[in-house]
Amino acid sequence: QVQLVESGGGVVQPGRSLRLSCAASGFSFSMYTLHWVRQAPGRGLEWVAFISYDATSRYYADSVKGRFTISRDNSKDTLFLEMNSLTLDDTAMYYCARRDGYNLNWGQGTLVSVSS
Amino acid sequence: DIQMTQSPSTLSASVGDRVTITCRARQSITNWLAWYQQKPGKAPKLLIYKASTLESGVPSRFSGSGSGTEFTLTISSLQPDDFATYYCHQYNSYSSSWTFGQGTKVEIK
Repeated sequence: QVQLVESGGGVVQPGRSLRLSCAASGFSFSMYTLHWVRQAPGRGLEWVAFISYDATSRYYADSVKGRFTISRDNSKDTLFLEMNSLTLDDTAMYYCARRDGYNLNWGQGTLVSVSS
Repeated sequence: DIQMTQSPSTLSASVGDRVTITCRARQSITNWLAWYQQKPGKAPKLLIYKASTLESGVPSRFSGSGSGTEFTLTISSLQPDDFATYYCHQYNSYSSSWTFGQGTKVEIK
């Protein structure tokens, strides 16, 4: 079955960087577009970034544009989110997600805490 | 971006009540609409996709309807396990960005 497993979260100081990974299995990874979505503590869901199946198209929420980079390694079935210049507002659970036609799959998330 | 407006933000109800949550899109998303249930400390759980298709394993008391710009999630008879926060999600295939409703917290009356 489809599985998305995020990792790489942790505690980081403001201004520092962190790289999240999302390991995929159970489907042909290279054929699908993927997204990152986050949820700050006590808040709603916020879309973060999109990448096309071949990485030729990438889009970002205004709140992370210029600081975050989404990428993928189709040879390793893995999605990434490189996060630079982190601020307190980036503290959140980060989820990777896939759309397959009308259906949707999500991972269980990895927690990023930005704290001094 | 396609803005989604979800209402109400909080809903107080009793076990056995019929509950309806509404989500409105600023422009037509045809039927690219999903509904999730989320409990504290857990990932969102997909309930409905394609506006009205029940995800496998989800109880039949949950149903979704609507198309275009107006959508509803209905719980026909609220059960104790249903007290949670619910989100709508537009994932229009013609848009590379997703948007979510603000959430509806269903509380015990």
